[in-house]
Amino acid sequence: EPEVTQTPSHQVTQMGQEVILRCVPISNHLYFYWYRQILGQKVEFLVSFYNNEISEKSEIFDDQFSVERPDGSNFTLKIRSTKLEDSAMYFCASGREEYEQYFGPGTRLTVT
Amino acid sequence: QKEVEQDPGPLSVPEGAIVSLNCTYSNSAFQYFMWYRQYSRKGPELLMYTYSSGNKEDGRFTAQVDKSSKYISLFIRDSQPSDSATYLCAMGSGTYKYIFGTGTRLKVLA
Repeated sequence: EPEVTQTPSHQVTQMGQEVILRCVPISNHLYFYWYRQILGQKVEFLVSFYNNEISEKSEIFDDQFSVERPDGSNFTLKIRSTKLEDSAMYFCASGREEYEQYFGPGTRLTVT
Repeated sequence: QKEVEQDPGPLSVPEGAIVSLNCTYSNSAFQYFMWYRQYSRKGPELLMYTYSSGNKEDGRFTAQVDKSSKYISLFIRDSQPSDSATYLCAMGSGTYKYIFGTGTRLKVLA
């Protein structure tokens, strides 16, 4: 059964550094999402992406964040200048229909 | 008032019990309602989704939506120890943005 994959599984970075989190959505899916989950807290919506553009973004998704779908298979989240409070699990999700979201295993980002 | 409220639990039940998990919400524009299961340090797994009001059944799982009360439920019949996980509700209004509840931790005791 096809799955969403994410790399790396764990990323450690220093405050102020740029990070790129990578996702390979399920191949025939059209809707793509990034979420984050700070340890012990709820899953928070960051951004949705459809038809090669951002559909919706949350207040968290400020100018430090960007997303790209550089080719037909990858979907990336870039954080330009990481802060301590960006430490969290970052989940990518994809779906064929708008309400359908299949999540990847996540990337644990630790900012020191 | 939070947009989506969910009792964090933990909820402990004996194996074979019927489990009832609930969420309330405040945004009347929500039309899409989903339930996810999340095991520790894993990604959420989509269990069921419902559009608008009504019931939906899939195996041991039944999802109910009562839009008049702004209340959704997930029932698990014949619960198993492998059902022990955190259950998340999520909702959206058709704008490609979904709000999650905090999750209810469920323990099914053998």
